[in-house]
Amino acid sequence: DAGVTQSPTHLIKTRGQQVTLRCSPKSGHDTVSWYQQALGQGPQFIFQYYEEEERQRGNFPDRFSGHQFPNYSSELNVNALLLGDSALYLCASSPGGPGNIQYFGAGTRLSVL
Amino acid sequence: AQRVTQPEKLLSVFKGAPVELKCNYSYSGSPELFWYVQYSRQRLQLLLRHISRESIKGFTADLNKGETSFHLKKPFAQEEDSAMYYCASTSGSARQLTFGSGTQLTVLP
Repeated sequence: DAGVTQSPTHLIKTRGQQVTLRCSPKSGHDTVSWYQQALGQGPQFIFQYYEEEERQRGNFPDRFSGHQFPNYSSELNVNALLLGDSALYLCASSPGGPGNIQYFGAGTRLSVL
Repeated sequence: AQRVTQPEKLLSVFKGAPVELKCNYSYSGSPELFWYVQYSRQRLQLLLRHISRESIKGFTADLNKGETSFHLKKPFAQEEDSAMYYCASTSGSARQLTFGSGTQLTVLP
């Protein structure tokens, strides 16, 4: 089992562009959560997907959107990138719906220039 | 909103010395508390959760509801314990994690 996998590993974009990050959950997991980790900070919850629907959302603007596919994989989209969006984006998966232990991927490092 | 506070950004101890990483949380309902650890060049991983009441790698953490604390302790630190430690609590219907800002532990030889 490869665990939670995220792609790409690193990404460089310029202000105003759009980006899509991808996540494949651990085998047997159906719930995917996304977190943003700015430098020197702990991860911050963006949103969670379960049964292909957004179940809960953190304090992030509508520029941040997501999707979950029937195979439970997920995408995080960020539109109109700002310099402040530069961060490590973490995906976490858990089995059997919300409330179970979350397993984290290695993250995607996004740099906005 | 849930808040998790880790007052120490950096903590250094010598090998064999006791170590305590502090964590305080804001009370809201019945949160579940966790400690996550990130070793150098590795992904974030669960160290322990309060409902398990386990000792993992010699670490323990007791939930003190009166002081709203969940401090992580180990009686004899090892060099391989050097890592970034995050305290986290769950909240909301999605039981999403709210993380503290982390404590970088360095165990000196």
